[in-house]
Amino acid sequence: EADIYQTPRYLVIGTGKKITLECSQTMGHDKMYWYQQDPGMELHLIHYSYGVNSTEKGDLSSESTVSRIRTEHFPLTLESARPSHTSQYLCASSETGRRSEQYFGPGTRLTVT
Amino acid sequence: AQTVTQSQPEMSVQEAETVTLSCTYDTSESDYYLFWYKQPPSRQMILVIRQEAYKQQNATENRFSVNFQKAAKSFSLKISDSQLGDAAMYFCAYLTGTASKLTFGTGTRLQVTL
Repeated sequence: EADIYQTPRYLVIGTGKKITLECSQTMGHDKMYWYQQDPGMELHLIHYSYGVNSTEKGDLSSESTVSRIRTEHFPLTLESARPSHTSQYLCASSETGRRSEQYFGPGTRLTVT
Repeated sequence: AQTVTQSQPEMSVQEAETVTLSCTYDTSESDYYLFWYKQPPSRQMILVIRQEAYKQQNATENRFSVNFQKAAKSFSLKISDSQLGDAAMYFCAYLTGTASKLTFGTGTRLQVTL
């Protein structure tokens, strides 16, 4: 399996709490991505980064924010969690080349009550 | 905008048999890449096979092969000699040549029976 890690794997949290989902990779990849996936549904890109200090919004609008201070680390933050944020969040990374495979982390399943 | 369509929400195949998963896509670009990803239950998404649009030859990876029909914008996955470990969600994905962003289909859940 790929060297990309996500913590926590499962999180149940109350409405209004601030949360940070962690993603790290040890492959030295420049590109990193966050996807949102509802059960049995396709993945939607919510954020991506081409490298340190680069962040872009994806195709699906999200109230979350991301940062990329180090190459290996790409955390996602929700300032005030709401039940509509309940979903699975997948992190991925890839090399710089256009045809490069994306490697996925195991995901964080978030439930906001 | 690019779209990816998987018209089979669920498929079932007997062990050792062959199954084909369908995928169509819509794009106006000429330079792109297509992928099939596998997502086993509670496990990480992994790449199964990749196809470059400029290549006419269909990609193969062991028991997995694709039928890439560029004019028809079709990209089906054939799994030969199916194994129990092939049971998973399979996602077809399209990657643009410039932005390197993946667009996924809705997935096909494959069951493998004895």
